[in-house]
Amino acid sequence: NAGVMQNPRHLVRRRGQEARLRCSPMKGHSHVYWYRQLPEEGLKFMVYLQKENIIDESGMPKERFSAEFPKEGPSILRIQQVVRGDSAAYFCASSPPPGGYEQYFGPGTRLTVT
Amino acid sequence: DAKTTQPPSMDCAEGRAANLPCNHSTISGNEYVYWYRQIHSQGPQYIIHGLKNNETNEMASLIITEDRKSSTLILPHATLRDTAVYYCIGVISGGGADGLTFGKGTHLIIQP
Repeated sequence: NAGVMQNPRHLVRRRGQEARLRCSPMKGHSHVYWYRQLPEEGLKFMVYLQKENIIDESGMPKERFSAEFPKEGPSILRIQQVVRGDSAAYFCASSPPPGGYEQYFGPGTRLTVT
Repeated sequence: DAKTTQPPSMDCAEGRAANLPCNHSTISGNEYVYWYRQIHSQGPQYIIHGLKNNETNEMASLIITEDRKSSTLILPHATLRDTAVYYCIGVISGGGADGLTFGKGTHLIIQP
């Protein structure tokens, strides 16, 4: 059973460009969580999604950031007009229904904004 | 969720048991204690969780004091690959309505 997959593993964007980060949960998992880890800082929760629904986006910056988890396909974290402060590791986690705190994390996407 | 307190770092000799403490004196009756670890540059890894009884799985044991104000994660035979930051997290039972709140954790260094 493949684990949580994230791509790309490394992404370089210039300031002002858009970044799209993809997350494919483990088979049978319908709950996805996104976290961000800034350099030398801890992991911060961003958003929690189920298929086609955003359940909790309390940790998501109000502007430029959005997330979706469509009926088919991976979950997408989208960052518009990136700035240097968006440089971080972005981790996705998944859990089986009904959701919960036993979450399985992917390897992360390291975003560098130049 | 309960505030947890962990030592910032610990050393342990390879092959010995690593005992990682966590204080959660404000934990409520329906709060679980979850442990995760993050090996350098990798995604966090779930280890174990418990409510009030001691728990054991293939990775570790979790000992929770009777008053539930503290707990200890035990890695019975630490290896170099166990070097990581270990996080103790208190969460309310009933499903993951919110994400996990990671603190600073304990940086465990296994010495050869």
